Amino acid sequence: LAKTTQPISMDSYEGQEVNITCSHNNIATNDYITWYQQFPSQGPRFIIQGYKTKVTNEVASLFIPADRKSSTLSLPRVSLSDTAVYYCLVGDNGLTGGGNKLTFGTGTQLKVEL
Amino acid sequence: NAGVTQTPKFQVLKTGQSMTLQCAQDMNHEYMSWYRQDPGMGLRLIHYSVGAGITDQGEVPNGYNVSRSTTEDFPLRLLSAAPSQTSVYFCASARASTLYEQYFGPGTRLTVT
Repeated sequence: LAKTTQPISMDSYEGQEVNITCSHNNIATNDYITWYQQFPSQGPRFIIQGYKTKVTNEVASLFIPADRKSSTLSLPRVSLSDTAVYYCLVGDNGLTGGGNKLTFGTGTQLKVEL
Repeated sequence: NAGVTQTPKFQVLKTGQSMTLQCAQDMNHEYMSWYRQDPGMGLRLIHYSVGAGITDQGEVPNGYNVSRSTTEDFPLRLLSAAPSQTSVYFCASARASTLYEQYFGPGTRLTVT
């Protein structure tokens, strides 16, 4: 399973765009990049997943460069309610590729202030 | 759909007591798993199951047992509780084809004194 590195914490203000970068230098060909969000006292919530280029949904965008050695989660116009821990995970979606053993690091604590 | 449900929400045990944490999902997901999360740390995988009758160990399985007799339920048993098992426990489920898109329950906060 590819190891990931992301900042421990980030601070932002309401209305700003927040970009959280994750490094995954040894990503494998079959690996996907997945981001989760966790609020205090709640379980993690799947946000977005991508393989290459750009993926966008109603919550966030995920930018993946051609070499796939890093990825950036972009949260547009954050609000106080976006204060949470964000986890970057890299791995195969299938059972044989280790998808059965999700590995959560300590994530990035995003704090949004007024 | 109720999604993934867990009971109880809170539990206090004395050292040496046993108990079962319940987890159920109504999405017909093949895959289910249990994690523990200690303060300021990420989640660590305890046990997982890829289908009824099939279970396997995760990163921190010692002191815990699981079984999967139905697709819907995946209980976690603590045989003899220890203070080191004080933690928040999360259950999750996923389709076998998209294992990285997991759905988590609300968690059980366990304290062992």
